[in-house]
Amino acid sequence: KAGVTQTPRYLIKTRGQQVTLSCSPISGHRSVSWYQQTPGQGLQFLFEYFSETQRNKGNFPGRFSGRQFSNSRSEMNVSTLELGDSALYLCASSIQGSSYSEQFFGPGTRLTVL
Amino acid sequence: EDQVTQSPEALRLQEGESSSLNCSYTVSGLRGLFWYRQDPGKGPEFLFTLYSAGEEKEKERLKATLTKKESFLHITAPKPEDSATYLCAVLQTSGSRLTFGEGTQLTVNP
Repeated sequence: KAGVTQTPRYLIKTRGQQVTLSCSPISGHRSVSWYQQTPGQGLQFLFEYFSETQRNKGNFPGRFSGRQFSNSRSEMNVSTLELGDSALYLCASSIQGSSYSEQFFGPGTRLTVL
Repeated sequence: EDQVTQSPEALRLQEGESSSLNCSYTVSGLRGLFWYRQDPGKGPEFLFTLYSAGEEKEKERLKATLTKKESFLHITAPKPEDSATYLCAVLQTSGSRLTFGEGTQLTVNP
């Protein structure tokens, strides 16, 4: 069974630009969560999507947004990039039925903002 | 607000030298506590889920335990390939988001 895939793996952008990251969950998984990982803050929750609806949101500014498609694939977008947005962005998928199930992570997208 | 604190921040062991990593947590209603392993440049790899105090789970050289305030990840006779950052995360009963600790960076020397 294929794992969670994320594209692209690496990105270099400049301040003010916007970026879109993509995540394909494990087949059959309906929930996708996004996290930002930095050396100083660790793993911070961005948002979670389930059946194309945002179910939960972390404490990030509105420049960070996401969506989920009918096939459970998800994208996150960051507009007006700042230097502090440089991080590893991780996507995790889970089955998420009526009870919680474990989250499985992808390899991440390394974003560098210059 | 949920809080997860892991200690130590870094740990160096000799191959075969057993030790434990600690994860203490404050959460309003624990739904589950999760351990992950993360290698450099990769996403976290799921290890264990613990749901209630007294629960224990084992996988090869790793054993995770849970009390009402903390969890331990015991590593028995570690090998160099066990070197990684070990992350602990909690899920509260009212949500679906994980709150992670900062991790413990483990290095096992041959």
